[in-house]
Amino acid sequence: SQTIHQWPATLVQPVGSPLSLECTVEGTSNPNLYWYRQAAGRGLQLLFYSVGIGQISSEVPQNLSASRPQDRQFILSSKKLLLSDSGFYLCAWSRSTTTTEAFFGQGTRLTVV
Amino acid sequence: DQQVKQNSPSLSVQEGRISILNCDYTNSMFDYFLWYKKYPAEGPTFLISISSIKDKNEDGRFTVFLNKSAKHLSLHIVPSQPGDSAVYFCAASPWGQNFVFGPGTRLSVLP
Repeated sequence: SQTIHQWPATLVQPVGSPLSLECTVEGTSNPNLYWYRQAAGRGLQLLFYSVGIGQISSEVPQNLSASRPQDRQFILSSKKLLLSDSGFYLCAWSRSTTTTEAFFGQGTRLTVV
Repeated sequence: DQQVKQNSPSLSVQEGRISILNCDYTNSMFDYFLWYKKYPAEGPTFLISISSIKDKNEDGRFTVFLNKSAKHLSLHIVPSQPGDSAVYFCAASPWGQNFVFGPGTRLSVLP
């Protein structure tokens, strides 16, 4: 069976510090991978998605970046966090061949102070 | 401009009764729709989906109805249980592209 792991679950970081959130998927190969942010009143906002190693598409220009160094690893990063980066970040995967449901990780609550 | 709208931010229902969660969309290219359920501090979990070739899909207590002409879908939960209390997200996509999520509706099922 497929599983998705996302860590850490919570993170408190000072403004201007770097960020690295990691997500890994097990039990499948060549998944589509996604980073979402849940913002109040706006649902789930797609930040980045990847259809393969090294292939990253950005949906929203911002202070964040994403990388996919391995097939089942997706990393969300920032060089300098802003207060507005606070939020609940979710990693997700879906099968690559058809449009099906996406499976989400447990999420990371990021608080920038 | 939100392409997927859930105009009720919250809904309260008595246990055992029907919960109806609504979702409207504006993009006529959307042809695949999903509902997710989310508990606090957890990732969303997939509930049920429907493609535009159908107008109804049922899975246990959950039924999704799609009205393409009205660009409207709804999720019915019968009977509602306290464990159904969560935020429900509607999501839509054109085939083969990324999903757009609605803002969510918080359902409270009262014992």
